[in-house]
Amino acid sequence: GESVGLHLPTLSVQEGDNSIINCAYSNSASDYFIWYKQESGKGPQFIIDIRSNMDKRQGQRVTVLLNKTVKHLSLQIAATQPGDSAVYFCAENRPGSARQLTFGSGTQLTVLP
Amino acid sequence: DSGVTQTPKHLITATGQRVTLRCSPRSGDLSVYWYQQSLDQGLQFLIHYYNGEERAKGNILERFSAQQFPDLHSELNLSSLELGDSALYFCASSVGQGAGETQYFGPGTRLLVL
Repeated sequence: GESVGLHLPTLSVQEGDNSIINCAYSNSASDYFIWYKQESGKGPQFIIDIRSNMDKRQGQRVTVLLNKTVKHLSLQIAATQPGDSAVYFCAENRPGSARQLTFGSGTQLTVLP
Repeated sequence: DSGVTQTPKHLITATGQRVTLRCSPRSGDLSVYWYQQSLDQGLQFLIHYYNGEERAKGNILERFSAQQFPDLHSELNLSSLELGDSALYFCASSVGQGAGETQYFGPGTRLLVL
């Protein structure tokens, strides 16, 4: 069935390196995508979003890339810090779905000292 | 801090019981969404309210119900609880209900059914 999925369940990076977290989506009609960060025991925290009419959007140390041709979304974190360690979820908003979010399974990012 | 508040933080109860989870959205937000997060199902949408009216239902069991009050806070009622209902329950809020509305999540309520 249709789903939002992540390529890798875990990712370990050295502090200071850049991190890239990937996400595949299957509904080509999805028009809005969000990345959330979830730390242990906390709720998902909004990081960055992108609409389907854009290919790239930058925030503070984060960049989201959207490739609609292959239905792929990525989150790039520059100069990864220990505080970036968390589970990262991509979520998509599908037209006709009354705006609820469909979440991927998540990627655990671990930042190594 | 997202501005969304949820109470209680933790809830331990027994099978067959009924509980009520409460959510207050961010100031100015009219939409409230409820999600369930379990280890085997991930984050699943349950229900969406906008300005007091139900807008959409997702994978919500008939034993579960929700409402949004005139002051815009929302309650999620879970009844005839089963062991499998143990999960984290999050609410999220957004300004409206249109396309591209960013949803901000609360800290969640951790429910344990024994």
